[in-house]
Amino acid sequence: DVQLVASGGDIVQPGGSLRVSCAASAVTFNTYWVHWVRQVPGKGLVWVSDIKSDGTTATYADSVRGRFTISRDNAKKTVYLQMNSLRVEDTAVYFCARAYASGFASWGQGTPVTVSS
Amino acid sequence: DIVLSQSPGTVSLSLGERATLSCRASQSVSNYLAWYQQKPGQAPRLIIYNASNRATGVPDRFSGDGSGTDFNFTISSLEPEDSAFYYCQQRGDWPPTFGPGTKVEVK
Repeated sequence: DVQLVASGGDIVQPGGSLRVSCAASAVTFNTYWVHWVRQVPGKGLVWVSDIKSDGTTATYADSVRGRFTISRDNAKKTVYLQMNSLRVEDTAVYFCARAYASGFASWGQGTPVTVSS
Repeated sequence: DIVLSQSPGTVSLSLGERATLSCRASQSVSNYLAWYQQKPGQAPRLIIYNASNRATGVPDRFSGDGSGTDFNFTISSLEPEDSAFYYCQQRGDWPPTFGPGTKVEVK
């Protein structure tokens, strides 16, 4: 099965920036959409963003549009989430996953992002 | 956005008993519904996709059914390792949304 590994989470101040990454092990990485989903510890799952297999299309949740940018480098089998103008409410564990039928499969282990002064 | 509600919030049953979880959508999602299992400190794991299809490697005690706005998820005979949160999620309309989850406790 495809393995996804999320990394890059850190502690940043409000208004700051951070880039998290999602690296895949699969040769077929360039054939599927990748999504980011976040979760405040002890709370539910919230979809954040996705990107098409070839990187030509990306969509965002209203709460992050204009501040977050998703991109991918298929040669490096990696998807990135650039997060700017971070807010306290962006604090969460960020998971990446690949699209699979109506759901998301091969979730990465999550990378924690804390926005605090 | 489509709102998913789940019931019950918590279910506590004994080993070997049957658990049935419900997920209701605020509007039709056809069969574009998935179920996930999440244990503390772990990423979610896809269990059911397209409302009734088991993901690879999922034991057959897990099943799902429904379409439109009403969906059920069943664990036919609870095992200790089934203690977890279970979330439904839809991709019938953009953006994808998740339900609030049901906690399953196995006594």
